[in-house]
Amino acid sequence: KAGVTQTPRYLIKTRGQQVTLSCSPISGHRSVSWYQQTPGQGLQFLFEYFSETQRNKGNFPGRFSGRQFSNSRSEMNVSTLELGDSALYLCASSLDQGEWSPLHFGNGTRLTVT
Amino acid sequence: EDKVVQSPLSLVVHEGDTVTLNCSYEVTNFRSLLWYKQEKKAPTFLFMLTSSGIEKKSGRLSSILDKKELFSILNITATQTGDSAVYLCAVAGSARQLTFGSGTQLTVLP
Repeated sequence: KAGVTQTPRYLIKTRGQQVTLSCSPISGHRSVSWYQQTPGQGLQFLFEYFSETQRNKGNFPGRFSGRQFSNSRSEMNVSTLELGDSALYLCASSLDQGEWSPLHFGNGTRLTVT
Repeated sequence: EDKVVQSPLSLVVHEGDTVTLNCSYEVTNFRSLLWYKQEKKAPTFLFMLTSSGIEKKSGRLSSILDKKELFSILNITATQTGDSAVYLCAVAGSARQLTFGSGTQLTVLP
């Protein structure tokens, strides 16, 4: 079974631009979560989607948004990029059949903002 | 606010040694504690411990959960250079999200 797939693997953007990251979950997984990983803050939760609905959101500004499609694929968007948005963005999917199930992560998208 | 603290921050050992990584937590409405291994990119799932499963073992790796004292340990016996990685501990509470610790960087020397 294929794992979580994230595209692109690397991105370089300029301050003020916007960016869209894509995530395809493991087949059959309906929950998709996004995390930001930086050396200073570690892994921080961005948001979680299930059946095209955002169920939970972390403490990030409104410039960070996401969505989930009917096939469970998800995208996250960051508008008006700032230097501090440089990070590894990780997508994770889980089975979510009522009980808590472990998250399985993709390889991430490395975003560099210059 | 949920909180996870891991110790030590880093550890250097030689092949064959046994290591113990620590994770203490504070969480509202505990649901589970998870351990991940992160080498270059994706954190890889190792164990999930819940109220109904407080001890897990897989090969040379094992983990226990103490819900009373709010901590967990991850043991690795007979370490190999391939065990070198960052080990992350995370907890799931009432919110549908994981709160991660800062990780333990393990380096295993040949």
